[in-house]
Amino acid sequence: EPEVTQTPSHQVTQMGQEVILRCVPISNHLYFYWYRQILGQKVEFLVSFYNNEISEKSEIFDDQFSVERPDGSNFTLKIRSTKLEDSAMYFCASRDNRDSPLHFGNGTRLTVT
Amino acid sequence: GEDVEQSLFLSVREGDSSVINCTYTDSSSTYLYWYKQEPGAGLQLLTYIFSNMDMKQDQRLTVLLNKKDKHLSLRIADTQTGDSAIYFCAESIRNYGQNFVFGPGTRLSVLP
Repeated sequence: EPEVTQTPSHQVTQMGQEVILRCVPISNHLYFYWYRQILGQKVEFLVSFYNNEISEKSEIFDDQFSVERPDGSNFTLKIRSTKLEDSAMYFCASRDNRDSPLHFGNGTRLTVT
Repeated sequence: GEDVEQSLFLSVREGDSSVINCTYTDSSSTYLYWYKQEPGAGLQLLTYIFSNMDMKQDQRLTVLLNKKDKHLSLRIADTQTGDSAIYFCAESIRNYGQNFVFGPGTRLSVLP
């Protein structure tokens, strides 16, 4: 069964550095998402992306964050000038239409030191 | 605002049934979902139900939806130690466009 893949599985970075989290959504899916889960807390919506543009974003998704679909297969989340509180598990998800379930990747654990 | 609530912990004995409950607030939800998260892993879609259905059964899993009370439950029959995980309820909210709202998750512990 096709799946969403995320790399790396774990990223350690120093405060103030930039990171790029990578995702390959399921190939025929059109809607892409990023969520994050701070340890022990809820899964929080960050951003949704459709037709090469952001369709929805949460308050968390401020100017520090950006997303890109640089080619036909990858979907990236860039976090500029990372802060300690950005440490979390970041999940990418995709679906083929707006009424179908989200399919999640296994996540990237980001640790900011 | 829209919110999804779940009890945080549930312990059952192996072989018993587990019932995980969820309440939600948005009556315009179109689909409601159950995801499973094992330690250190991603969110695995278990099952989902369309909002005009009352019940859905899939092998050991039974989902019950009471739309009037905005209550969703997941029953796992013959619970096994491999079912130990965090179970998240989620709703798909049209008013917010295309994003999901997750509950806090219920940690299911299965005792031998």
